[in-house]
Amino acid sequence: EPEVTQTPSHQVTQMGQEVILRCVPISNHLYFYWYRQILGQKVEFLVSFYNNEISEKSEIFDDQFSVERPDGSNFTLKIRSTKLEDSAMYFCASRDGQGSSRDTQYFGPGTRLTVL
Amino acid sequence: GNSVTQMEGPVTLSEEAFLTINCTYTATGYPSLFWYVQYPGEGLQLLLKATKADDKGSNKGFEATYRKETTSFHLEKGSVQVSDSAVYFCAPQKSNTNAGKSTFGDGTTLTVKP
Repeated sequence: EPEVTQTPSHQVTQMGQEVILRCVPISNHLYFYWYRQILGQKVEFLVSFYNNEISEKSEIFDDQFSVERPDGSNFTLKIRSTKLEDSAMYFCASRDGQGSSRDTQYFGPGTRLTVL
Repeated sequence: GNSVTQMEGPVTLSEEAFLTINCTYTATGYPSLFWYVQYPGEGLQLLLKATKADDKGSNKGFEATYRKETTSFHLEKGSVQVSDSAVYFCAPQKSNTNAGKSTFGDGTTLTVKP
């Protein structure tokens, strides 16, 4: 069964460094998302992406964040200058947008980002 | 936008007990409704969903019914097992938009004891 994959599974970085989190959505999906979950807290929406542009973003998704779909298969989240409070699990999700499962978001296993 | 109120945890039950986790939401329009489960140390897994009023989603013995009149989507299971111990998230999702983002509840931690 197709699944969303994410790399790396764990990323450790120093405060102020740039990180890129990578996701490979399910191949025929059209809608892409990033969420984050700070340890022990709820899952928070960051950004949605459709037709090569951001369709919605949250207040968390400030100028330090950016997303890109560089080659038609990968979907990346970049944090330009990481802060301690960026430490969290980051989940990528994708959605078909068509057919009987058009509403269902499929989540990847997550990347745990630790900022020291 | 959407918001969701989920029953606070933690919830501790004995094996074979009946489970209810309440979830109510506020939303513009008619969201699709989802329950996700997160097992210890793992990511989010879709448990069940319902996309319109009176639909019942079911999976692995869990059920939830889309109640438009009470804006609720309570999760139930008749007989829980130790393996059901996890965190459960209720998540309404905007539908029919280019965004379609999910709004997650705070999560309810369920512990089932033998």
